[in-house]
Amino acid sequence: EMQVVESGGDLVQPGGSLRLSCAASGFTFSNYWMNWVRQAPGKGLEWVANIKYDGSEAFYVDSVKGRFTISRDNAENSLYLQMNSLRAEDTAVYYCARVDTYYDILTGLPVYYYSDHWGQGTLVAVSS
Amino acid sequence: QPVLTQSSSASASLGSSVKLTCTLSSGHTGYIVAWHQQQPGKAPRYLMKVERSGTYNKGSEIPDRFSGSSSGADRFLTISNVQSEDEADYYCETWYNYSWVFGGGTKLTVL
Repeated sequence: EMQVVESGGDLVQPGGSLRLSCAASGFTFSNYWMNWVRQAPGKGLEWVANIKYDGSEAFYVDSVKGRFTISRDNAENSLYLQMNSLRAEDTAVYYCARVDTYYDILTGLPVYYYSDHWGQGTLVAVSS
Repeated sequence: QPVLTQSSSASASLGSSVKLTCTLSSGHTGYIVAWHQQQPGKAPRYLMKVERSGTYNKGSEIPDRFSGSSSGADRFLTISNVQSEDEADYYCETWYNYSWVFGGGTKLTVL
């Protein structure tokens, strides 16, 4: 059974750091891009960061650039999010999501990426 | 960057059908959209992706009651024979230039 399980959420003071982990199982982790998506209390979903299947490229929403770092260890089937200089507005449930790729039928090139399996989430609370 | 617009709320009677809409912003109207369901207190669950043509592909174990369609900039999620467990928030998602965008979500109430 395909599964992703997040951990590492905690209460942290503003300016502090935290490292989230996501353990993957039931699929070939090294074949998939991966997302971190967050949801502030009572709010909608917000994409945070993405990493290519081999870890060679990473992408971030503007609000976390320079503060958060996404990484992965394909040998350990694990995804990480290092969060530094945390702010109150970073308070949210953080979800790890597998990203599937849709290929153009004619060219065989990837044309779309979408989150197709989600973890249960881990809560990060930033408060003094 | 595309913007996805969803109505904030919708309602449907038990056993009826409901059609939720996700509208892509100008210049991005041909994009594929994915739909996700989030039941109260739970993590999101992928339902399907919907193409400009109206072709849709569902995730595993998604009931036949769920279907997708498309018209212009709109991508639809239709739920037939609405059940009580369908009461949830529904989000659409698209991808553009290595960033992912979500709509604001539609809260579906089952009457």
